[in-house]
Amino acid sequence: QKEVEQNSGPLSVPEGAIASLNCTYSDRGSQSFFWYRQYSGKSPELIMSIYSNGDKEDGRFTAQLNKASQYVSLLIRDSQPSDSATYLCAVNRRGSYIPTFGRGTSLIVHP
Amino acid sequence: GAGVSQSPSNKVTEKGKDVELRCDPISGHTALYWYRQRLGQGLEFLIYFQGNSAPDKSGLPSDRFSAERTGESVSTLTIQRTQQEDSAVYLCASSGRTGDIQYFGAGTRLSVL
Repeated sequence: QKEVEQNSGPLSVPEGAIASLNCTYSDRGSQSFFWYRQYSGKSPELIMSIYSNGDKEDGRFTAQLNKASQYVSLLIRDSQPSDSATYLCAVNRRGSYIPTFGRGTSLIVHP
Repeated sequence: GAGVSQSPSNKVTEKGKDVELRCDPISGHTALYWYRQRLGQGLEFLIYFQGNSAPDKSGLPSDRFSAERTGESVSTLTIQRTQQEDSAVYLCASSGRTGDIQYFGAGTRLSVL
């Protein structure tokens, strides 16, 4: 079992819809969770960080963390074609200073 | 500078040559990471520096790879006797706190012919 798993996609959604991206992790002691967006040919940039159970909202983005079920998700409301990118989930395990990245989910928002 | 700076942005080299990649982290960031990303693949951790502590080299794929960092300043990643499989984008990231949000540079695209 991989430490951090994401569906590689592509996930295709129409413009204006809600895109739901999921990530599961194996270490129950994981403490910090991050979503990065990576446009093709560009470097990753942080979208959201979340550290405690529940939802965290920032504009059109909502991160959801459920430590009991060991998953973290990212919801993108009112998806725009400019949201088309690969979304990387990163998890920092307890006692580790090196976040583990998932392989990313490719999101395509079509007009 | 305002962000993480990497140079060169592109490097084309011949098989067997040595290359040196440079990363200038955000001022004040004590943690610095190097990653490799092959085309269409995820991030592959290479090495981690934290202040003046001994680096974590556990991700370096072979002894042809080495990296240095003096204190909390610039880091250089050196690849000796480059091979075609070394072709990738090499990303540097810095963080103000260990294990926290990482800020990535634009990367160096290395092509080994």
